[in-house]
Amino acid sequence: EVQLLESGGDLVQPGGSLRLSCAASGFTFSTYAMSWVRRAPGKGLEWVATISGSGGTTFSADSVKGRFTFSRDNSKNTMFLQMNTLRADDTAVYYCAKNLVPWAYCGGDCYIFDSWGQGTLVTVSS
Amino acid sequence: QSALTQPRSVSGSPGQSVTISCTGTSSDVGAYKYVSWYQLHPGKAPKLMIYDVSKRPSGVPDRFSGSKSGNTASLTISGLQADDEADYYCCSYAGSYTLVVFGGGTKLTVL
Repeated sequence: EVQLLESGGDLVQPGGSLRLSCAASGFTFSTYAMSWVRRAPGKGLEWVATISGSGGTTFSADSVKGRFTFSRDNSKNTMFLQMNTLRADDTAVYYCAKNLVPWAYCGGDCYIFDSWGQGTLVTVSS
Repeated sequence: QSALTQPRSVSGSPGQSVTISCTGTSSDVGAYKYVSWYQLHPGKAPKLMIYDVSKRPSGVPDRFSGSKSGNTASLTISGLQADDEADYYCCSYAGSYTLVVFGGGTKLTVL
């Protein structure tokens, strides 16, 4: 059974930094791209980023480019989201998600998320 | 404002059917077969219900079905059950620049 567990959410001041982790189990971690999706209070889901199976390639939303960085440690089945220069509109529940199709075979279906964690809350406020 | 447009809410009685629409453009929903739907129950992990417009992952009841016509995708839930009450989001691939767009979400109430 696929399990994803996010951690690291916290209250942080505007301009601050935070690092989220996503621990995965139940599948061959390095075979699949992984993604971050967030849900701000009262708003809809927003795709944040996708990182390839090896971690060598990342794609991210314009809203986080230059502020957020993405990485993974396949030896520890863990993905990371480093958030810098945080703003109030980054306040959200951050979910990690496993992509449906193995990275080696995906195209547009790279952005279908078949397993999700329960999320971790990031609050940016003074 | 979300890229894909969904009704804010829909409702139905147990046993009835409801359809949730998801309207995009010729650059996303209309251009690709990579439309997916997600169910969000409060406090639980989101769940993939439909992918590639109409495919159901293992374990999703066949009461859930998906379709697409032009720039609009639809999720139909038949034989409504109390546990179907949740938020539903559509999602589409949107090409190599934008990549992924979500709808604003629809709250389904089972009366």
